[in-house]
Amino acid sequence: DVKVTQSSRYLVKRTGEKVFLECVQDMDHENMFWYRQDPGLGLRLIYFSYDVKMKEKGDIPEGYSVSREKKERFSLILESASTNQTSMYLCASGPFRNGETQYFGPGTRLLVL
Amino acid sequence: AQSVSQHNHHVILSEAASLELGCNYSYGGTVNLFWYVQYPGQHLQLLLKYFSGDPLVKGIKGFEAEFIKSKFSFNLRKPSVQWSDTAEYFCAVRDWGAGNMLTFGGGTRLMVKP
Repeated sequence: DVKVTQSSRYLVKRTGEKVFLECVQDMDHENMFWYRQDPGLGLRLIYFSYDVKMKEKGDIPEGYSVSREKKERFSLILESASTNQTSMYLCASGPFRNGETQYFGPGTRLLVL
Repeated sequence: AQSVSQHNHHVILSEAASLELGCNYSYGGTVNLFWYVQYPGQHLQLLLKYFSGDPLVKGIKGFEAEFIKSKFSFNLRKPSVQWSDTAEYFCAVRDWGAGNMLTFGGGTRLMVKP
């Protein structure tokens, strides 16, 4: 079974803090993704990575950055957290093959005060 | 970029009722189509997918979906829902001509009354 783990289930941070969300996958997948999930908006792609040290902006990259130093690990960084970044953050990984799905982690619910 | 529309944000059904959740994407091309489900407190997981061949695909737990290319649609169906189907359902499209990203719909929250 594919396993995607995220470092925290719940986080509470203050405005202006730097926040790190970590994601690890154990299936040697090339692709990794960070989404945020908000009610009524579904999942929106923040960043994705198709290889080590490679990253691509998704639909809503503003206010975020990412790091992929190792194939199995993909980090999402909020340089200066703001209240509008309160959300559920989902990490996913998947192979780079036609038709293949993505596998999701359990999510991190972030509250920025 | 693709956009994905799910027509209903909330659906409430009684057990044994039939279910159809609509999903439309914005334009054609080579696409893969997915339905994901998120049960309360659980991970998002794949329900079914289409990438080629028979446009009627069957997934887990008795769900099926039909890809109608001319309508840019991929509606999810189940003939008889159960209380355990209470969940949020997300349609997603991967457009291979547009950066290979997965675009999700806004989700449909289904509640099945026992």
